[in-house]
Amino acid sequence: GAVVSQHPSRVICKSGTSVKIECRSLDFQATTMFWYRQFPKQSLMLMATSNEGSKATYEQGVEKDKFLINHASLTLSTLTVTSAHPEDSSFYICSAGASDTGELFFGEGSRLTVL
Amino acid sequence: KQEVTQIPAALSVPEGENLVLNCSFTDSAIYNLQWFRQDPGKGLTSLLLIQSSQREQTSGRLNASLDKSSGRSTLYIAASQPGDSATYLCAVKGSGYALNFGKGTSLLVTP
Repeated sequence: GAVVSQHPSRVICKSGTSVKIECRSLDFQATTMFWYRQFPKQSLMLMATSNEGSKATYEQGVEKDKFLINHASLTLSTLTVTSAHPEDSSFYICSAGASDTGELFFGEGSRLTVL
Repeated sequence: KQEVTQIPAALSVPEGENLVLNCSFTDSAIYNLQWFRQDPGKGLTSLLLIQSSQREQTSGRLNASLDKSSGRSTLYIAASQPGDSATYLCAVKGSGYALNFGKGTSLLVTP
């Protein structure tokens, strides 16, 4: 299947700092990527849909000024958690899809810990 | 709003057993359904994709079925192995492009 890569896999930061997570589609172009958040023992919750060349679409309850999404190219989307707080600690996962089958592929995830 | 439910939440079986994981969804107007595997602290690995027009898909020891009218899917794992231990997630895609996930079934296969 297609490969989606995330970086970094783990990040620890101090409260108040900003953290950027990258999501790359390695062997295909993705006009749309998705960012999910997963709390322990919970399912994945969609945060936002990242659209190449245009603004991201955020789900209800997700602060767009808190979670900045940039999709500058067909292979890269970034999620920046601004002024991170301990409650932002979570597992963030991105995904991108094959336009022909609609199958979605996921990155390895990024574990964010805010101290 | 699409609701996806997976039963059981957790399952422990001895090695070699065949097992079935269940997934149900409330809105039958789906585009496709995907089964994923997630190992602890890792991302998701796509196992099987069933388009809305299909009834089942098979890959090795895995078989997934889809009954769209009743809003159900099953994942059948034959001859389970300890390496199959993981969380299995069911997700459906509706008219939008994103997926709606169930909470998963945590599977433990003991030697």
